Amino acid sequence: NAGVTQTPKFQVLKTGQSMTLQCAQDMNHNSMYWYRQDPGMGLRLIYYSASEGTTDKGEVPNGYNVSRLNKREFSLRLESAAPSQTSVYFCASSDITVNYGYTFGSGTRLTVV
Amino acid sequence: GENVEQHPSTLSVQEGDSAVIKCTYSDSASNYFPWYKQELGKRPQLIIDIRSNVGEKKDQRIAVTLNKTAKHFSLHITETQPEDSAVYFCAAKINDMRFGAGTRLTVKP
Repeated sequence: NAGVTQTPKFQVLKTGQSMTLQCAQDMNHNSMYWYRQDPGMGLRLIYYSASEGTTDKGEVPNGYNVSRLNKREFSLRLESAAPSQTSVYFCASSDITVNYGYTFGSGTRLTVV
Repeated sequence: GENVEQHPSTLSVQEGDSAVIKCTYSDSASNYFPWYKQELGKRPQLIIDIRSNVGEKKDQRIAVTLNKTAKHFSLHITETQPEDSAVYFCAAKINDMRFGAGTRLTVKP
């Protein structure tokens, strides 16, 4: 039982490059989330998907897009990376029919130069 | 949207002392309040949570209290140990989870 799996773990991009962060969960959770974590600012919600087929903006969606590919997978795309997107990105999932707690992936450390 | 404020940002205690971290939230519709512990370089891990219909919950050395009227909730750690050193985050949930900025707890042996 892997829980929430994120790839890649580390990535360095040049300004203007694009990339997709992958997230998959094997717990049959309905809801999935993308957060970014910056020093002193906690975890800020980028986008979330309450259920398969739906996505909604969070606190800081600008510069990002998401795709809920199926119930298991929720990807985050940076179309034109900027230095301000240097951060640690966490994917999480939950199933409110069981409890509300989130299970987090191990994170992706992204540096944009 | 929901706004969560957390205090203090850093907290240093002696081993064996108690530690208290406080959070306030803005939206009275929030109904779930978890606390996460994050060790350096690791993912956040849920340590305790409380729902809006409960005032207090305890699990061994940690406890959480909720005051819905004042819209604040607190984490209490008793008999602190060096392995309690980490960053702690509170959060509040309506449709999605909003987190506080975190408290770096250091327990000195």
